[in-house]
Amino acid sequence: DTAVSQTPKYLVTQMGNDKSIKCEQNLGHDTMYWYKQDSKKFLKIMFSYNNKELIINETVPNRFSPKSPDKAHLNLHINSLELGDSAVYFCASSQEGRRKNTEAFFGQGTRLTVV
Amino acid sequence: GDSVTQMEGPVTLSEEAFLTINCTYTATGYPSLFWYVQYPGEGLQLLLKATKADDKGSNKGFEATYRKETTSFHLEKGSVQVSDSAVYFCALKEGAQGGSEKLVFGKGMKLTVNP
Repeated sequence: DTAVSQTPKYLVTQMGNDKSIKCEQNLGHDTMYWYKQDSKKFLKIMFSYNNKELIINETVPNRFSPKSPDKAHLNLHINSLELGDSAVYFCASSQEGRRKNTEAFFGQGTRLTVV
Repeated sequence: GDSVTQMEGPVTLSEEAFLTINCTYTATGYPSLFWYVQYPGEGLQLLLKATKADDKGSNKGFEATYRKETTSFHLEKGSVQVSDSAVYFCALKEGAQGGSEKLVFGKGMKLTVNP
């Protein structure tokens, strides 16, 4: 029973296309995140949502738009894909409100390749 | 802003060798500190954590102690195994409530353990 699951695991697409990555967590956490891991394995936060509200929005191009339909889901839509968007995207969740824990749980990652 | 500096590697060790991965941090307050591990082709998993000064986190034979005076959280293992081959990330988490906390990662260190 996967705690944080994201789909698809692999995504190969052409430049200029629009694509979405979906993420779901069944841990009952109130906060979800998207992180980007580049080819050198460096991880950087992109967005965080707390109770469906956007809290963190790092310097990410407007082509990236997160959407949180409910606390258990955080999807990432990317418009007009560029070669530089190729990376592994990780979804994560944590509990930041009442009964806060400090640990974030990560999904398996989505390897996006733009050709 | 907050930052984490860790050994980048890559590092290759023989089985049963002693492992130390150095990690130092810069933060304005009192962060929680983490070591995450990423096995080949997988997402990040929490290896261990410490939430206050002098706490020691331990798991699977790995240990790290939160040293406020040296702002360090070095990871150690007395005898590594082939199955420890992975990328290791040091991270901190600091911030206010309500989802504005985020994990800040070091650049990761790839460890290969040979039989």
